[in-house]
Amino acid sequence: AQSVTQLDSQVPVFEEAPVELRCNYSSSVSVYLFWYVQYPNQGLQLLLKYLSGSTLVKGINGFEAEFNKSQTSFHLRKPSVHISDTAEYFCAVSVRDDKIIFGKGTRLHILP
Amino acid sequence: DGGITQSPKYLFRKEGQNVTLSCEQNLNHDAMYWYRQDPGQGLRLIYYSQIVNDFQKGDIAEGYSVSREKKESFPLTVTSAQKNPTAFYLCASSSIRGTEAFFGQGTRLTVV
Repeated sequence: AQSVTQLDSQVPVFEEAPVELRCNYSSSVSVYLFWYVQYPNQGLQLLLKYLSGSTLVKGINGFEAEFNKSQTSFHLRKPSVHISDTAEYFCAVSVRDDKIIFGKGTRLHILP
Repeated sequence: DGGITQSPKYLFRKEGQNVTLSCEQNLNHDAMYWYRQDPGQGLRLIYYSQIVNDFQKGDIAEGYSVSREKKESFPLTVTSAQKNPTAFYLCASSSIRGTEAFFGQGTRLTVV
């Protein structure tokens, strides 16, 4: 069975500073990995996904993530955050023909 | 526009009453999911379905029921047996089970 752990429940960062949101997963088979963003009282929106191929994945809103198989990680990064990036971010893992498992989320707080 | 529609956005019910949450998609997706979201607990899977007339329990199915009579529709009934039904409910769909999920805007259910 697969599982995913988001290592930080909250991350404060100053505006225009870089940020990294950490995600580790466990699985005995090849996985698909995702990052979603959720704004208050809304559904989740896909930021980026890794299905196969290049380990560096670029997504929307200037975010990117790197798949590291040896460390079983899929950390999300942005070089310079904006106040509009304030939201909750979810890492998710799945394998083909199986359900998608979500982490508990990381709240990103942007400080002025 | 293609997407997933959840209705209503807000729902209030008295304790002991059953309530049904609607989820409709026009993405021609085979797989559909229901998640429950509580603060600090991430998304927990209630039920999922890969094809019409077939569905499987997720991690927290007790007190919930679903049906999948049409490919486009996957309604969730919160029964009086659910001990703590107040939560934010999210419906999602995907084209092949395990690949990226598309989410509705959610239904916030409050039971008083």
